[in-house]
Amino acid sequence: GAGVSQSPSNKVTEKGKDVELRCDPISGHTALYWYRQRLGQGLEFLIYFQGNSAPDKSGLPSDRFSAERTGESVSTLTIQRTQQEDSAVYLCASSLSGAVKYEQYFGPGTRLTVT
Amino acid sequence: SQQGEEDPQALSIQEGENATMNCSYKTSINNLQWYRQNSGRGLVHLILIRSNEREKHSGRLRVTLDTSKKSSSLLITASRAADTASYFCATDPTGTASKLTFGTGTRLQVTL
Repeated sequence: GAGVSQSPSNKVTEKGKDVELRCDPISGHTALYWYRQRLGQGLEFLIYFQGNSAPDKSGLPSDRFSAERTGESVSTLTIQRTQQEDSAVYLCASSLSGAVKYEQYFGPGTRLTVT
Repeated sequence: SQQGEEDPQALSIQEGENATMNCSYKTSINNLQWYRQNSGRGLVHLILIRSNEREKHSGRLRVTLDTSKKSSSLLITASRAADTASYFCATDPTGTASKLTFGTGTRLQVTL
């Protein structure tokens, strides 16, 4: 079946502009995660959604970052007033349950470049 | 700081050789997972080992976990060129049932 999809695959934006990244999780997966990966680095947790529970926003680096999820489907990550340090690959993952004993399935990522 | 740190940062071997990567972490965990990332398939889950397990196998992969030393190792036997990728360990710290903490990764290069 279809995996996790993300759009756009690449985004180049000017410093100060807002960007919106989209993630479509695997159907039936109740948990959704956003990560950031800078060049040559590991993954940095940003935010986690589980069903109708309040999201875990503990990884968001600043108030310029926000995310929403519609029910148990699409999620959008918004970065306002982008800065050059926001340049990274943003990865979305979904899993069957919020319990991390279930493996996470990752999308291909959105490569964001802030000029 | 990263919960998990892989060692070595980079590893180059020839096809057919075994590759061993290590992961150290700082806090107690529920489980530890290994993921592979390459340009072709993105980030893919390889294997999960629970805190009460010491060793686990999956095909050519062997994972060990030593909770007393807070460390894990991933062994890939009879490596292939297709194993070329970055390998990350990810821990599920106890008390944080919602998120994985990833290490910085080991870049494995398998040459013919």
